[in-house]
Amino acid sequence: QQQVKQSPQSLIVQKGGISIINCAYENTAFDYFPWYQQFPGKGPALLIAIRPDVSEKKEGRFTISFNKSAKQFSLHIMDSQPGDSATYFCAASIPAGNKLTFGGGTRVLVKP
Amino acid sequence: DAGITQSPRHKVTETGTPVTLRCHQTENHRYMYWYRQDPGHGLRLIHYSYGVKDTDKGEVSDGYSVSRSKTEDFLLTLESATSSQTSVYFCATLSQERDEQYFGPGTRLTVT
Repeated sequence: QQQVKQSPQSLIVQKGGISIINCAYENTAFDYFPWYQQFPGKGPALLIAIRPDVSEKKEGRFTISFNKSAKQFSLHIMDSQPGDSATYFCAASIPAGNKLTFGGGTRVLVKP
Repeated sequence: DAGITQSPRHKVTETGTPVTLRCHQTENHRYMYWYRQDPGHGLRLIHYSYGVKDTDKGEVSDGYSVSRSKTEDFLLTLESATSSQTSVYFCATLSQERDEQYFGPGTRLTVT
């Protein structure tokens, strides 16, 4: 049973466009929602994270929107660049042990 | 990679053989984790450790064991490898100061 569902599985966007990735979760005990970026052959790297006491967090071109009542959160990549081409994972964790539950991943391709 | 090394980086082994993967960290982080990554499943937690000799199971722990005799080393053992354990294995540590998990470069394991 996948507790964090991520969509779409893949995404193609033109340079300068907006990439949007959505995640939905089931466990209301989750209290930390990070997004990771992974390039081929590398480990995931934290991109941005949010806690449920805020509805939006922005860092540069990356924004997380969080809807606690709907149990959904999303990543928006503004002004997408070819260097943003990577696989993106949403995740969620409960306080005990900071164990991450990941979504299935979204492969993003930004065309120049 | 936040001071995390994994060894070996690649391994091919036969079904039924024991395999040990090593994770070494230099940041003195208390929490360490082993995840496996498979297409469509994101990353899934195998085992984690919250201190020397303190470990607990994750989501997909069957067929795996771990040991942590020193803060800096976390070993993952497949007692009798099976083809279903062909995967990419990532180690991670938690910076409690920054509330952020850092991932190692991964080990690609193929069981034939």
